[in-house]
Amino acid sequence: ELKVEQNPLFLSMQEGKNYTIYCNYSTTSDRLYWYRQDPGKSLESLFVLLSNGAVKQEGRLMASLDTKARLSTLHITAAVHDLSATYFCAAGKPGSARQLTFGSGTQLTVLP
Amino acid sequence: GAVVSQHPSRVICKSGTSVKIECRSLDFQATTMFWYRQFPKQSLMLMATSNEGSKATYEQGVEKDKFLINHASLTLSTLTVTSAHPEDSSFYICSALGPAGGETQYFGPGTRLLVL
Repeated sequence: ELKVEQNPLFLSMQEGKNYTIYCNYSTTSDRLYWYRQDPGKSLESLFVLLSNGAVKQEGRLMASLDTKARLSTLHITAAVHDLSATYFCAAGKPGSARQLTFGSGTQLTVLP
Repeated sequence: GAVVSQHPSRVICKSGTSVKIECRSLDFQATTMFWYRQFPKQSLMLMATSNEGSKATYEQGVEKDKFLINHASLTLSTLTVTSAHPEDSSFYICSALGPAGGETQYFGPGTRLLVL
């Protein structure tokens, strides 16, 4: 059974600082997704990572995937208040990669 | 970009009644849609995979007779919560695979269900 673990679950950081959210998954998966969720809202797709060593960047966010270590990271550079949200990673299920198993989420608060 | 809508956005119903939630892909055809459930402050749990023209595939532990899924067209999937009880109160979110078999899932805005 595929399990996805994120850490930290809660993260408070100062504006301008850097930090990394980690996402570990338990069995082979060939795709990893990152989503953002604002309070009371649905999910916004951030990144889709499909191969070992994949790195994608959008603004202050950069995601990477290491399939050998079964690890994905979401790196935040010079955080700003607008990045405050809950971030989820999700891995595709083995044999049915489009069915996703989600991590527990990281609630990020960027403080002024 | 690909847009997925849900209706209603929130619904309050009495215990024992049934509630239907619609999920539509507005500007693309979606042969596959997914239904998730999210409790407050928790992650999303996949309930079922909805395939156009065939029966839905349910995840372990999800009662198919309680959560009826119909995917009658390439742009519409419906989830009916039958004989709802307070423990069914949750945030229900659907998603659809992007156009042309893309890898990205596009999520609807969610439906908040409260069963009294």
